[in-house]
Amino acid sequence: EPEVTQTPSHQVTQMGQEVILRCVPISNHLYFYWYRQILGQKVEFLVSFYNNEISEKSEIFDDQFSVERPDGSNFTLKIRSTKLEDSAMYFCASSGGTSGGSPFNEQFFGPGTRLTVL
Amino acid sequence: LAKTTQPISMDSYEGQEVNITCSHNNIATNDYITWYQQFPSQGPRFIIQGYKTKVTNEVASLFIPADRKSSTLSLPRVSLSDTAVYYCLVASGYSTLTFGKGTMLLVSP
Repeated sequence: EPEVTQTPSHQVTQMGQEVILRCVPISNHLYFYWYRQILGQKVEFLVSFYNNEISEKSEIFDDQFSVERPDGSNFTLKIRSTKLEDSAMYFCASSGGTSGGSPFNEQFFGPGTRLTVL
Repeated sequence: LAKTTQPISMDSYEGQEVNITCSHNNIATNDYITWYQQFPSQGPRFIIQGYKTKVTNEVASLFIPADRKSSTLSLPRVSLSDTAVYYCLVASGYSTLTFGKGTMLLVSP
C-alpha cells in the first residue's frame, strides 16, 4: 500500500539554525500539507500546497517557514531560524489522488519528524 | 469552520462496543464528517467519513442523524490495540483539517 514517507525521523538542531524537513507524498496525490504537534497538544495545521503554490496557511506559518516541491516527488518544509518553541513533531500529509475513489477528506499522514531545538 | 465537541476520554474493556459521540452544531451543508485515529508518536490515520445516515467499513461504523448536528463513531469489539486518540472533524472538499483535542480511548484487558 502506498504511503507518505518523511526524513529524518528525528532532527536535533541549535536555536537559530535552519532545518529542512523532507517528505515524499503518495505519488498520484495532488494536495500536500504540513501539520505539527507539540508534545501533549493537538495537531495543528501549518500549510497546504496545490498546483505548485500555497493554497492556505495558518498563523503559525510565518516568514520563518517556507515550503517547496523541488522535483515533483519531494515536498519540503524549511524553517529558516529555529526557535525553542518550534520543537514538535512535524507531519506531512497528502490527498487527492487522480484515480479518485478515496474520500476527499482522507489525508494520508507520514510518520512524522520529531524536531528538537536546543 | 464548524467546531466539534467530543468527550476528552473514554474507558472500555476488550470485546466491548465503544461509541464516541461528537457534536457539530454549526455544520455547513457541504461539510462531511470525518474521523481519524492517532497512536502515540504516529501521524493521524483516517478511519471513516460520512455525510448523513450510516456508513460502515471494515473498521467502524458512523451514525449521523438527519439534522447532522452530531455523529457517533462505533467501534465493534475493541481490542487493546484500539487504545488511541480519536478525532472528529468536519470539513468540505480538500480543505485543511482542524483537529481538536480528540477523545482518548483506553481499552483495558
